[in-house]
Amino acid sequence: AQKITQTQPGMFVQEKEAVTLDCTYDTSDPSYGLFWYKQPSSGEMIFLIYQGSYDQQNATEGRYSLNFQKARKSANLVISASQLGDSAMYFCAMREPNTGGFKTIFGAGTRLFVKA
Amino acid sequence: NAGVTQTPKFRVLKTGQSMTLLCAQDMNHEYMYWYRQDPGMGLRLIHYSVGEGTTAKGEVPDGYNVSRLKKQNFLLGLESAAPSQTSVYFCASSYGDRDLLNTGELFFGEGSRLTVL
Repeated sequence: AQKITQTQPGMFVQEKEAVTLDCTYDTSDPSYGLFWYKQPSSGEMIFLIYQGSYDQQNATEGRYSLNFQKARKSANLVISASQLGDSAMYFCAMREPNTGGFKTIFGAGTRLFVKA
Repeated sequence: NAGVTQTPKFRVLKTGQSMTLLCAQDMNHEYMYWYRQDPGMGLRLIHYSVGEGTTAKGEVPDGYNVSRLKKQNFLLGLESAAPSQTSVYFCASSYGDRDLLNTGELFFGEGSRLTVL
């Protein structure tokens, strides 16, 4: 069965520094999509970035980039120049491949604390 | 833009009571989902729908029922609430398979916090 693993329950980073949040996934299907979502303390889920399994280049969205290592089945999120507003819960997710309805499974999340 | 709207935002129930969570989306999305979020477990899929009049079970469907009578609405029902159903519930929607804009990105509502005593 497909699975998402986030091994860092909590991370600390100094403001303005870069931080990497780890994510590994398990699937036997060659076609899948990987996502990162942010959940601030207010509770809403915010889409950050998407990587398709056939994409040749790592996805980037502003200060967010996804370090996609297909052979290692990892999809780490890199946040550059951290800001206090980046303090939140971060979820890695994978769209289950070739299933009607694009079912998405989530990791347990990593809570990021940005220190001033 | 409203996006995905969930009602109610908060609810306290007694064991055995029933209730319905309503999800409405105004983006003309084909697919809709209900997830629950529990500490340390991320989000788990309860039920989903790939179109009006169709529903399917997700990872944790027991104790819940759903209906999608209109494309824009997806209802989650608890027939006999149990303390184990205390959770935050998220509704989400996405484009359909045949939509060129579709990457599978989920558009979430703000969540509904349910406490069952």
